[in-house]
Amino acid sequence: ETGVTQSPTHLIKTRGQQVTLRCSSQSGHNTVSWYQQALGQGPQFIFQYYREEENGRGNFPPRFSGLQFPNYSSELNVNALELDDSALYLCASSAGQASYEQYFGPGTRLTVT
Amino acid sequence: KQEVTQIPAALSVPEGENLVLNCSFTDSAIYNLQWFRQDPGKGLTSLLLIQSSQREQTSGRLNASLDKSSGRSTLYIAASQPGDSATYLCAVNNGFQKLVFGTGTRLLVSP
Repeated sequence: ETGVTQSPTHLIKTRGQQVTLRCSSQSGHNTVSWYQQALGQGPQFIFQYYREEENGRGNFPPRFSGLQFPNYSSELNVNALELDDSALYLCASSAGQASYEQYFGPGTRLTVT
Repeated sequence: KQEVTQIPAALSVPEGENLVLNCSFTDSAIYNLQWFRQDPGKGLTSLLLIQSSQREQTSGRLNASLDKSSGRSTLYIAASQPGDSATYLCAVNNGFQKLVFGTGTRLLVSP
C-alpha cells in the first residue's frame, strides 16, 4: 500500500509568482485536505476535496485554489505569492468524510523571496 | 470557534522517564482527536486516533486518553528514549475532517 506522496519536496519562488503543489492520496482514499504550517506553528486548514468537489475551506484568500482528479490526487495552486506564504504545505488523505484517521504526506517546503 | 492548546510548549527529560503531554480544546463537540509526531522539517506521523465515544487508545509505549466533557486529552509516553525526541501535535476533528491543531510540544529526550 502506497502512502501519501507530495511533490516537489522544496520550492523557491519570487513574490508575485504562481505555484502548483501536488499530492497523491493513499490507495483507497477519496478525501484530500491541504494544510499550511508556518515555522513554529501548528498546521492550519486550507481546504478539503471530496470526490473532486471542494468540501470546506479555511480562512485563506481566493488566491489559494485547488483541484482533485478522478484518481483522487490533488493540486494546490497559489497565485500572486506573498512573503507570508513561505511555509510547509501538508496534504492529508482519508477514506471518507466521517471520523476517519487522516494520513499526512511529507510536505512541500515553499520559500517565497 | 475551536481552539486547541498544548502544554508544555517544550519539555526536556532524561532517557527512561515516563512523561505526560497535555492537550485542551474549547468545543467538546468533536468527532475524534488525533495525536501526531513531527520530526524537524518533516510531515506528520499519526500516533493514535481516539474516537469521541472512546476514553483511551494504546499503541506500544504510548497511551492517549480523552475526556470530552472537560475538553482534555493526554498523551502518556512510557520509558522515554532519545528516538522519541520530536514535536508532538494534537488535533481535533469537529466534522468533515477539518483538523484544528495545537502548536505542539517539543520533546527532547537526552541519553
